[in-house]
Amino acid sequence: DTAVSQTPKYLVTQMGNDKSIKCEQNLGHDTMYWYKQDSKKFLKIMFSYNNKELIINETVPNRFSPKSPDKAHLNLHINSLELGDSAVYFCASSHVLRGSHNEQFFGPGTRLTVL
Amino acid sequence: AQTVTQSQPEMSVQEAETVTLSCTYDTSESDYYLFWYKQPPSRQMILVIRQEAYKQQNATENRFSVNFQKAAKSFSLKISDSQLGDAAMYFCAYRSASRRGNTPLVFGKGTRLSVIA
Repeated sequence: DTAVSQTPKYLVTQMGNDKSIKCEQNLGHDTMYWYKQDSKKFLKIMFSYNNKELIINETVPNRFSPKSPDKAHLNLHINSLELGDSAVYFCASSHVLRGSHNEQFFGPGTRLTVL
Repeated sequence: AQTVTQSQPEMSVQEAETVTLSCTYDTSESDYYLFWYKQPPSRQMILVIRQEAYKQQNATENRFSVNFQKAAKSFSLKISDSQLGDAAMYFCAYRSASRRGNTPLVFGKGTRLSVIA
């Protein structure tokens, strides 16, 4: 069984379009994240949700809007796509446990290409 | 803000030999976690090894071990008996042990490791 899944794995779209990436985790975790990996392979946090509440929102354009309908899902909606949005987007999840290193489990990534 | 630096963009190693990947970090916190992640061409992020800052003993996982020097803020990864399957991007990552709950990972820029047969 897949622990953290993302759909789609590949997304090719035109500039100006609106698109969504879905993420689901079946680990019972209470925290989910979105990371962006740019063309130089640099990974950076975008958002973090804990129990469906936004707790971290890094400097990300307002065109990016995360939505968490429940603890197992964290979707990423992107409006008015731009060329610079082309990247690999990773979803991850973890669980708050006192004394634990709170390992983060990553999804397979979604490669977004904006033409 | 915490930063993680990997000074070696690329490294190569002969099969069966040993290689060490460097990582330094900057933080004012005393409690945190450090990780090494492997990203093969499949782009899946795979946790290789982790270290709790409060533990003095260096973590080991089979052929992978770390040299954690807290005072120097250094966290290097040693891969012994390198195998072709070890070829990948390796990322060093830092996570604060904040009481407020889970905190995100701060990544270095990565080191691309090639293994030569």
